[in-house]
Amino acid sequence: DAGVTQSPTHLIKTRGQQVTLRCSPKSGHDTVSWYQQALGQGPQFIFQYYEEEERQRGNFPDRFSGHQFPNYSSELNVNALLLGDSALYLCASSTRQGLQVFTGNVLTFGAGSRLTVL
Amino acid sequence: GDSVTQMEGPVTLSEEAFLTINCTYTATGYPSLFWYVQYPGEGLQLLLKATKADDKGSNKGFEATYRKETTSFHLEKGSVQVSDSAVYFCALSDGGATNKLIFGTGTLLAVQP
Repeated sequence: DAGVTQSPTHLIKTRGQQVTLRCSPKSGHDTVSWYQQALGQGPQFIFQYYEEEERQRGNFPDRFSGHQFPNYSSELNVNALLLGDSALYLCASSTRQGLQVFTGNVLTFGAGSRLTVL
Repeated sequence: GDSVTQMEGPVTLSEEAFLTINCTYTATGYPSLFWYVQYPGEGLQLLLKATKADDKGSNKGFEATYRKETTSFHLEKGSVQVSDSAVYFCALSDGGATNKLIFGTGTLLAVQP
């Protein structure tokens, strides 16, 4: 059973460009969350998608946007890239029911997409 | 807002040494607490969890007890191995609609043979 799949694994962009990162959730999962992990820091919550809608957003500017497709996969888009956007972007999937009746271990993380902005 | 503070690393130990990584939290409600581990080039893996006060989470020889009175969730292992070398993250779940995770900054553990 494949876990969470993210692509691309690595990419390099220049300031001002736009980037799209992709995530396929674990089989049976319907909710996708995105986290940003800067070098030497813990992951920070960007937003969560369920039923193709953004359900909650962390403290990130509107340059960060997302989308969820009917097959539950998701994209993270970042516009007008800044040097500070360089980070590992992690996707985590879960079931909505698992989040509501929280018993822990309901998030499965992907290996991440490492973005470098020059 | 809710936050997690964990001891800074790196922590360097010899094989079979005792490990403690300190973690304290600030939360307005009754969070669930977690330890995640990140091996080089891999995603985060849940190591253990505790969902209420006095619960003890344990896995692979690691343990942590949810201490509400000291708002702590320290990670311990009696005898570390080289294969335990990784970055360890303490985290809490705020119990909100999305149960998002709030992480500490991570502690790098290096175990030498």
